[in-house]
Amino acid sequence: SQTIHQWPATLVQPVGSPLSLECTVEGTSNPNLYWYRQAAGRGLQLLFYSVGIGQISSEVPQNLSASRPQDRQFILSSKKLLLSDSGFYLCAWSLVATTGDTQYFGPGTRLTVL
Amino acid sequence: LAKTTQPISMDSYEGQEVNITCSHNNIATNDYITWYQQFPSQGPRFIIQGYKTKVTNEVASLFIPADRKSSTLSLPRVSLSDTAVYYCLVDDNYGQNFVFGPGTRLSVLP
Repeated sequence: SQTIHQWPATLVQPVGSPLSLECTVEGTSNPNLYWYRQAAGRGLQLLFYSVGIGQISSEVPQNLSASRPQDRQFILSSKKLLLSDSGFYLCAWSLVATTGDTQYFGPGTRLTVL
Repeated sequence: LAKTTQPISMDSYEGQEVNITCSHNNIATNDYITWYQQFPSQGPRFIIQGYKTKVTNEVASLFIPADRKSSTLSLPRVSLSDTAVYYCLVDDNYGQNFVFGPGTRLSVLP
């Protein structure tokens, strides 16, 4: 069966510090991978998605970046965090299918920027 | 990209059937309708998906009229543990057009 891991689970960082969140998927090959951010009490905002190694599409301009160095590894980074980067970060995967796509989400990382 | 509209919140009591309707007036021919459930501090979880008519699984039923411009998620006999946010999504099968709206916050009361 497929599983998705994210770490760390929680993170408190000062403004201006770097960020690296990691997501890995097990039990599947060539998944689509996604990074979302959810502000408190809000819906999910799609930040990045990837259809393959080294292929990253950005949905929202921001000081964040994503990379996919391996097929089942997706990394979210920032060189300098802003207060507005606080939120709940979710990684998800899906497989392109002939029917509608279904996303499977990881446990999330709660980031607080102080 | 089809936009969806759902009620912001709903209240229900244990044991009742809950119906949450989602409007998607500009749904495209290739789009499927998917519902997710999210508990606090967790990622959304897939509930059910459909293209037309009715779909039923062990958790819920999804009703889609012939024009597909709306859909209704039906949760039979809800319990306190069904308190969550429910999201309706409309997307094609390319996995690149996911847009999560604010969802419907369902509160199940004892």
